[in-house]
Amino acid sequence: GENVGLHLPTLSVQEGDNSIINCAYSNSASDYFIWYKQESGKGPQFIIDIRSNMDKRQGQRVTVLLNKTVKHLSLQIAATQPGDSAVYFCAETAGANNLFFGTGTRLTVIP
Amino acid sequence: EAQVTQNPRYLITVTGKKLTVTCSQNMNHEYMSWYRQDPGLGLRQIYYSMNVEVTDKGDVPEGYKVSRKEKRNFPLILESPSPNQTSLYFCASSPGINYGYTFGSGTRLTVV
Repeated sequence: GENVGLHLPTLSVQEGDNSIINCAYSNSASDYFIWYKQESGKGPQFIIDIRSNMDKRQGQRVTVLLNKTVKHLSLQIAATQPGDSAVYFCAETAGANNLFFGTGTRLTVIP
Repeated sequence: EAQVTQNPRYLITVTGKKLTVTCSQNMNHEYMSWYRQDPGLGLRQIYYSMNVEVTDKGDVPEGYKVSRKEKRNFPLILESPSPNQTSLYFCASSPGINYGYTFGSGTRLTVV
């Protein structure tokens, strides 16, 4: 899984701007990746996933990019809104039942 | 509504007093899992279950037990809680391997 750090990375963006949240993973055997959003006091909420046979997947206002060469995953949020403020986690798995989560990035949207 | 339901949401207990956190899902999912979330450490898997009567350890199973007698329920048992088990716990379920987990709302446990 991703290296665990003690400090939660933060990202502040202006409302209406695009956001890009990055994630590095360390297991080259990982073949399924998910982005979760966690709002204060709630459980992680599935946003979008991507399998290793793809390098890009789009959802509603969100795009996930996967670069297996450098083991990098990113989440792009278009036209960021105040409701997007949350902690975002990437998670990876290598075909087993365990999802390995990163420590997350806190996104703050400035109105 | 498709969901994972955990109870209780908040629990304060004393060291050594056995407790159970219940988890139920209504999506007929095969896989269920328990995670704990701690500041700076992210989400770590405690136990998981691939089907009824099939359970296995995750990354941090010490001090915990689980059971899967029915498909929908996956309780987490702390036989003798200790302060280092103070944490935020999440139950989750999934249709199978390489599908995203659906998480419950969490149980905040404090052991004093």
